[in-house]
Amino acid sequence: GAVVSQHPSRVICKSGTSVKIECRSLDFQATTMFWYRQFPKQSLMLMATSNEGSKATYEQGVEKDKFLINHASLTLSTLTVTSAHPEDSSFYICSARAQALGNTIYFGEGSWLTVV
Amino acid sequence: GNSVTQMEGPVTLSEEAFLTINCTYTATGYPSLFWYVQYPGEGLQLLLKATKADDKGSNKGFEATYRKETTSFHLEKGSVQVSDSAVYFCALSLNSKLTFGKGITLSVRP
Repeated sequence: GAVVSQHPSRVICKSGTSVKIECRSLDFQATTMFWYRQFPKQSLMLMATSNEGSKATYEQGVEKDKFLINHASLTLSTLTVTSAHPEDSSFYICSARAQALGNTIYFGEGSWLTVV
Repeated sequence: GNSVTQMEGPVTLSEEAFLTINCTYTATGYPSLFWYVQYPGEGLQLLLKATKADDKGSNKGFEATYRKETTSFHLEKGSVQVSDSAVYFCALSLNSKLTFGKGITLSVRP
């Protein structure tokens, strides 16, 4: 089946540094990818919609300058958390829409970010 | 706005027990409804879906029926297995955006 790979699965970074998370569709092209964030015992919250070749669309309340999204190819979207702080520690998960597969949404494995 | 409400967890059952996980939703239009499952150490996987009222989604022995009159999409399985232990998320989709419930952890004892 279609696979979406996220990397890294776990990352620890120091406050004030930036960290990049990659989301790749391994066997299909995805013009649209989505980034979610999940706090413990909370639901997944959509952060932004990533569109290949254009700017991402951010949900209300999500800081564009803090969470940089780049979707430079049909198989890769990246989320960069800039100047990370401990409150950014969370589970980040991406999904990709496979247009050629009936617009089915496939999720990555998620990335645990811990900012110390 | 759109929202999904799931019953509080966690849920612990013995093997072969009957499972019901409640899910209700509010939406500004006519959403599609989904159940996703996250097994330990893995990403989210689509379990089943229904795209219109009275549709029944089914997969791996799980079923859920889209009830427009009660705005519900409860998940059921007649006989759970240890391998069903996972986190289950109810979700709705409108305009290609997914809105998730909080998820509920199911643990099945041998």
